Amino acid sequence: DQQVKQNSPSLSVQEGRISILNCDYTNSMFDYFLWYKKYPAEGPTFLISISSIKDKNEDGRFTVFLNKSAKHLSLHIVPSQPGDSAVYFCAASAVSNTGKLIFGQGTTLQVKP
Amino acid sequence: SQTIHQWPATLVQPVGSPLSLECTVEGTSNPNLYWYRQAAGRGLQLLFYSVGIGQISSEVPQNLSASRPQDRQFILSSKKLLLSDSGFYLCAWSVLGRNEKLFFGSGTQLSVL
Repeated sequence: DQQVKQNSPSLSVQEGRISILNCDYTNSMFDYFLWYKKYPAEGPTFLISISSIKDKNEDGRFTVFLNKSAKHLSLHIVPSQPGDSAVYFCAASAVSNTGKLIFGQGTTLQVKP
Repeated sequence: SQTIHQWPATLVQPVGSPLSLECTVEGTSNPNLYWYRQAAGRGLQLLFYSVGIGQISSEVPQNLSASRPQDRQFILSSKKLLLSDSGFYLCAWSVLGRNEKLFFGSGTQLSVL
């Protein structure tokens, strides 16, 4: 049972344009959402997060949007840079689950120069 | 500052052989510790987590076990490896309380042949 889904395995974007990565979840108890970025042969690094009491959180070029009614969140990267090329994981947690993270399958972003 | 060490980076093991992966954290006390696995084409799956010495919770039934002999040491083991144990293994830590923001090690690529 995949509680967190990233239905797009890959995304290719031109440098300078917007990258939009999507994530859907099924568990209505999730109350905290995160995005992680992973380069090959490295561990994931935390990128940005959002609490369920908000619908938007912005950090520089990265913005995460949360639509609770649709159980959907998205990560926007503007403008995209070649160094953003990596695998992006969406993750979710619930306070009732002691905060353990449930990860999506990941989306590989390629930003072309 | 806190750092997490995980080794080895790459491991090739025959089916039926034992396994021991080690992870240590520096610069923090009483962290929560986690073992995740990323199988090919899959997301990050939580295998084990620990909130203290000798306290291990298993998330999925499997051929692996974990131990925490010291506060900042987490070990992943198997007595007999299976082909299906191949994958990218990641150790992570978080602070007490809400555990969403995980800090990952660099990972171990395990190939069971």
